[in-house]
Order: sequence, then C-alpha cells, then structure tokens
Amino acid sequence: GAGVSQSPSNKVTEKGKDVELRCDPISGHTALYWYRQSLGQGLEFLIYFQGNSAPDKSGLPSDRFSAERTGGSVSTLTIQRTQQEDSAVYLCASSLAGKLFFGSGTQLSVL
Amino acid sequence: AQRVTQPEKLLSVFKGAPVELKCNYSYSGSPELFWYVQYSRQRLQLLLRHISRESIKGFTADLNKGETSFHLKKPFAQEEDSAMYYCALKGQGAQKLVFGQGTRLTINP
Repeated sequence: GAGVSQSPSNKVTEKGKDVELRCDPISGHTALYWYRQSLGQGLEFLIYFQGNSAPDKSGLPSDRFSAERTGGSVSTLTIQRTQQEDSAVYLCASSLAGKLFFGSGTQLSVL
Repeated sequence: AQRVTQPEKLLSVFKGAPVELKCNYSYSGSPELFWYVQYSRQRLQLLLRHISRESIKGFTADLNKGETSFHLKKPFAQEEDSAMYYCALKGQGAQKLVFGQGTRLTINP
C-alpha cells in the first residue's frame, strides 16, 4: 500500500464493550508505534514494536489495553471493558530510519 | 526520563510576521529532536529533524543543548502554515519517540 492503513476509521461503542483497532504498516518497516491523541493531551505514547524484540509497553495506561503484532506486520490494539475516558483518536505509525509515517487514525467514541 | 514541553497550546500571528513555536525538553543524554506537523484533514507528518540541519517550507529549528530547547522558527508566516505542530524527542539508543502536547498555529490574513 501507499501508506500506513488503519481500520476502522471511526468506532462508536458502548461503555464496557471490547474494541479492536487494526494497523497495516508500510511494507518493510520494522518498527511500529501506537499513540493516543486526545484534545488537550497531545500525543500520548502507548506501545512500540521493533522487529522480533519484546515490545515497549511502558505507555499503556492500564491492563485493559493490549497490543500484538503478528508476523512482524499487522498490529491490533485491543481495549477491553471500554470507558468513556478511552474516547480519543488512536494513531498508528511505522518507521524507517527514524522517520515515522502515520496512519489517518481511528476515532474511538465510547458512549 | 524523556519529556517534551510545548508551553503554548495556541499561537496566532498575522501573515508576513515572524513566528516561533517553543519546545523545551528534559533528557540527560544527547537527544534527537523532531518537529511534526498536522495540517487540516491530513495525516501527521515529519516537518524536520535537527540532525538534518535543513530548512523545510521556510522553517528552521536549532538544537540548543544549553537551554534544552528546539524552537521552530519562520521569518515570514504564510496562511498555509496554519496547522498543529508537535515537537518530539528520541533518546540515545532508544527508539521510543516522545511528543509534546502540541501547538495550534493560526496565521491570520
């Protein structure tokens, strides 16, 4: 593909439900990041994958959040038992030579 | 710990005026600094990085280790510069990129 692809672009869910957000990075990029973009909070780092190394999960806000990356390519961010404060835009980026390429994000709304 | 501070959430200047977006960082080693920009209805994208020492769209940024700053400057603002700007830092050997809270720049005609 031409760039980082994220799906769905919008997700509306009810409080307490689980959601899965998907990211397809640029082919050949070994690094993949998830960020959360909230109004007034800037870009909050969530998790980082680099090749076959153990992911850096230091930014995940609670144990309701998890992510995996299968085959060094596609990544899924899962939020269990969603809360209203989880509402935000979730951005994925893949990286080559230190330069990040971002997807267009998933707008998550928890009602 | 890595930390990036952008003290101005909003900045408004007139077209043709100089603009400076402030960025301060906290890091004990030698960091790599970046500016990313998000124009309306577009994806977040890299504007410039300090190791390249380049000027992009008329913008420059100099890393000042003494003041731990990486301010973004442009001598003559244009309306198309209106966007959200994020300063970011990557520590030595680390790949995690930490962003500031962002500054929304508005250029008035």
